Amino acid sequence: EVQLVESGGGLVQPGRSLKLSCAASGFTFSNYYMAWVRQAPKKGLEWVATISTSGSRTYYPDSVKGRFTISRDNAKSSLYLQMNSLKSEDTATYYCARQRGRYFDFWGPGTMVTVSS
Amino acid sequence: IQLTQSPSLLSASVGDRVTLSCKGSQNINNYLAWYQQKLGEAPKLLIYNTNSLQTGIPSRFSGSGSGTDYTLTISSLQPEDVATYFCYQYNNGDTFGAGTKLELK
Repeated sequence: EVQLVESGGGLVQPGRSLKLSCAASGFTFSNYYMAWVRQAPKKGLEWVATISTSGSRTYYPDSVKGRFTISRDNAKSSLYLQMNSLKSEDTATYYCARQRGRYFDFWGPGTMVTVSS
Repeated sequence: IQLTQSPSLLSASVGDRVTLSCKGSQNINNYLAWYQQKLGEAPKLLIYNTNSLQTGIPSRFSGSGSGTDYTLTISSLQPEDVATYFCYQYNNGDTFGAGTKLELK
């Protein structure tokens, strides 16, 4: 059974940093592109970052490019999201998701990030 | 590509045939998926590539469409289908629709 479990969320002040983690199990992690998708409170979904199977290629939307860094450790079946220079508009639930082709086929339960002073 | 979902809120009765719409601002070339999100839960993939049913999803869910217009149909609404449904296009960039909230009448 595919399982994705995020951790690392919490309350952080604007301008500070936070690192999210996602532990994967139930599939061969190194065979899949992985992604982070976020959802602001009572809002829609927004893709945040994608990483290739080896980690050599990463992709971001303009809203987080230069501030967020996605990475992975295939030996640990783990995905990470380093978030720097956080803004109030980054407040959201962050989901780790497995990519199959260009869409997301499995999602974790999410971890909440609140950016506030 | 912008996605417009309609209606934003839909009330229906158990057993009804329900149709949700997703319209793109440009041709999506069938690269469209549908997700179901129940309150407090992560999204669940229902349909990918316009009409391919994800493994384990009941056959009462189906997808159709082409070009800019796409539809998710629930053939016979069940109580457990109460959720918000999002469409997602991956033809040009990545865009989610704002969602249709489906409730029981």
